Amino acid sequence: AQKITQTQPGMFVQEKEAVTLDCTYDTSDPSYGLFWYKQPSSGEMIFLIYQGSYDQQNATEGRYSLNFQKARKSANLVISASQLGDSAMYFCAMSPLPNSGYSTLTFGKGTMLLVSP
Amino acid sequence: GAVVSQHPSRVICKSGTSVKIECRSLDFQATTMFWYRQFPKQSLMLMATSNEGSKATYEQGVEKDKFLINHASLTLSTLTVTSAHPEDSSFYICSARDRMREPPDTQYFGPGTRLTVL
Repeated sequence: AQKITQTQPGMFVQEKEAVTLDCTYDTSDPSYGLFWYKQPSSGEMIFLIYQGSYDQQNATEGRYSLNFQKARKSANLVISASQLGDSAMYFCAMSPLPNSGYSTLTFGKGTMLLVSP
Repeated sequence: GAVVSQHPSRVICKSGTSVKIECRSLDFQATTMFWYRQFPKQSLMLMATSNEGSKATYEQGVEKDKFLINHASLTLSTLTVTSAHPEDSSFYICSARDRMREPPDTQYFGPGTRLTVL
């Protein structure tokens, strides 16, 4: 079984500052993928970034980077230079790899990020 | 990223009626689609996994006769909430997996459907 833990129900950050959203996970699968999704108030889930468990380097995607520490089983999302439009709920998720047709995503409870001017 | 549409975005119906929600992958073929339910301020709860051409796999506690899923083609899955009741009011969101796209096995989500049963 897989488990994702997001311990921060809410985070506040000022515009243009960086923020780290925490995510820890637990799994018995030898290989797995880690995902971050953003859910603004409109409800749509937007895929942000992916990290494979065997990837040597931390993933980056524009202003998003994933601080992957395998030994600590953590996959924190770092958002640099926060913008007002970053205000949203952020979900960490994982799935086993290689993914069979029946493998599913396990989600954390989410962190609400509010960016102030 | 890949585009997934969902229709309708919002529906209000009377108790006892059935509601159909469509999920379409617009620019890729999705052999697997997923249906989630989300209550306010909570995480997504997986309801079922739908593979094209076969019966859906339902999560424990989800009534398959209540939530009918049909994955008729590689680009369309439908969720029908039968005999809806107020407790079925929720945000329903689908996702589709594009196995040909990197990163592997990423799920792309539709915009969601807000169902209100009066």
